[in-house]
Amino acid sequence: DIQMTQSPSSLSASVGDRVTITCRASQSISSYLNWYQQKPGKAPKFLIYAASSLQSGVPSRFSGSGSGTDFTLTISSLQPEDFATYYCQQSYSTPPYTFGQGTKLEIK
Amino acid sequence: QVQLVQSGAEVKKPGASVKVSCKASGYTFTSYYIHWVRQAPGQGLEWMGIINPSGGSTSYAQKFQGRVTLTRDTSTSTVYMELSSLRSEDTAVYYCARKGYCSSTGCYTEWFDPWGQGTLVTVSS
Repeated sequence: DIQMTQSPSSLSASVGDRVTITCRASQSISSYLNWYQQKPGKAPKFLIYAASSLQSGVPSRFSGSGSGTDFTLTISSLQPEDFATYYCQQSYSTPPYTFGQGTKLEIK
Repeated sequence: QVQLVQSGAEVKKPGASVKVSCKASGYTFTSYYIHWVRQAPGQGLEWMGIINPSGGSTSYAQKFQGRVTLTRDTSTSTVYMELSSLRSEDTAVYYCARKGYCSSTGCYTEWFDPWGQGTLVTVSS
C-alpha cells in the first residue's frame, strides 16, 4: 500500500499569512493526488485534484503543486474560514485509497 | 444538486452489527461508484471500501475484509454499509462519498465528492 505522510501535523498562522502544507508519498504517484479541507463536525470538502487543478467553486487563494512523491498545498492569504484540517489522498495505486494523517491549521 | 444523505446515529454493543444507509439524489445513481470512509474520534480518514451501484461489484480494504459488506438498492438509489462483529475501536463517524474522476486527456486521478453528512456509530457495552 502507498503511504501518505503530511507535514507539519499542525500549524499556527494568522489571517493574511501564506501557508504551505506538504504531502509525501511512499512511492511515485505521478499527479494522482487530491486535497480536502475538513472543519470540526463536518464532512471533508474536496479542494484540488490531479495535484494542481482547483475544484469548481474553490477560492483561487488555494493552489497545489508537485508530482512524483512530493506535493504541496498553499493558501496564499489565510482567511478566517480557512482554519481547518487538510488531508491529501492518492489514487495512483488502488485499492486501497489512502489519505495523509492530516494537517491541522490553527489560528495564532 | 448532487446529494448523499445518510441514516442517523447508532449505538451498538460489542459483537453486534450495524447497517448504515446512504441515499443518493441529483444524478444517475448507477453512473458513479460510492466509497465508504470512516473517521475515529480525533483521528484521520480511513478508506473502507467501494461499490459499483450499476452491477453491485465491491472492493474492500484488507483491514475490513470479512467484516464489511456493501450493498445497493437501485430502486431507491441507496447504498448500504454493514459492519459486523463490532468492537469499541469501531466507534467512528462513517461517511459515504461519490467517486469522481477526470474526463480530460492526461488526467486520471479519482476523488471523493460529494460526501454524505456522516453517521456516528458508537460501540459501547
